[in-house]
Amino acid sequence: EDQVTQSPEALRLQEGESSSLNCSYTVSGLRGLFWYRQDPGKGPEFLFTLYSAGEEKEKERLKATLTKKESFLHITAPKPEDSATYLCAVQFTGGGNKLTFGTGTQLKVEL
Amino acid sequence: DAGVIQSPRHEVTEMGQEVTLRCKPISGHDYLFWYRQTMMRGLELLIYFNNNVPIDDSGMPEDRFSAKMPNASFSTLKIQPSEPRDSAVYFCASSFYRGHEAFFGQGTRLTVV
Repeated sequence: EDQVTQSPEALRLQEGESSSLNCSYTVSGLRGLFWYRQDPGKGPEFLFTLYSAGEEKEKERLKATLTKKESFLHITAPKPEDSATYLCAVQFTGGGNKLTFGTGTQLKVEL
Repeated sequence: DAGVIQSPRHEVTEMGQEVTLRCKPISGHDYLFWYRQTMMRGLELLIYFNNNVPIDDSGMPEDRFSAKMPNASFSTLKIQPSEPRDSAVYFCASSFYRGHEAFFGQGTRLTVV
């Protein structure tokens, strides 16, 4: 069965304390892996798409990487405004345009 | 573009009543998705359309749920009759073409009492 698992469920960091979020997947064939950010009371906001192992994408303090089994979202020197829930989703072969989401990592960055 | 627009933002209804959620996708997008988000199950895809045609409705929980897309700029998700377990945030999203990232609306928070 196709599954997406994110860890940790929650993460508390001090401002400037770098860390990584994990998204592991078991799918029959990966077409794409997506990272979204969700703020309370809002819809998910698109961050990155990764298509093949070895691919990396960067945006400000965020960097996403992809291997054959997992993806990491690295947060370098985070700021309080990076606090949000980060969601990972996959599209898999035979799944059409369906996005299967993980349950997310709730990140809080404190001063 | 104003993005994906959903209405209403909040809906409180009594068990047994009919509920209709509305969505206007981003102009030019040919895929439209309906998702439901709960604390227990996270984000689940209910149904998606391509060029106004339903492609995959395997996530629709039961016959009480129905979705339509009469034209490229409007879609509805209807629950009849509603039950307390339907309480959740319902999101609509649209995307430009196959495999491309989806853009989400602000969601409709539904409470069934």
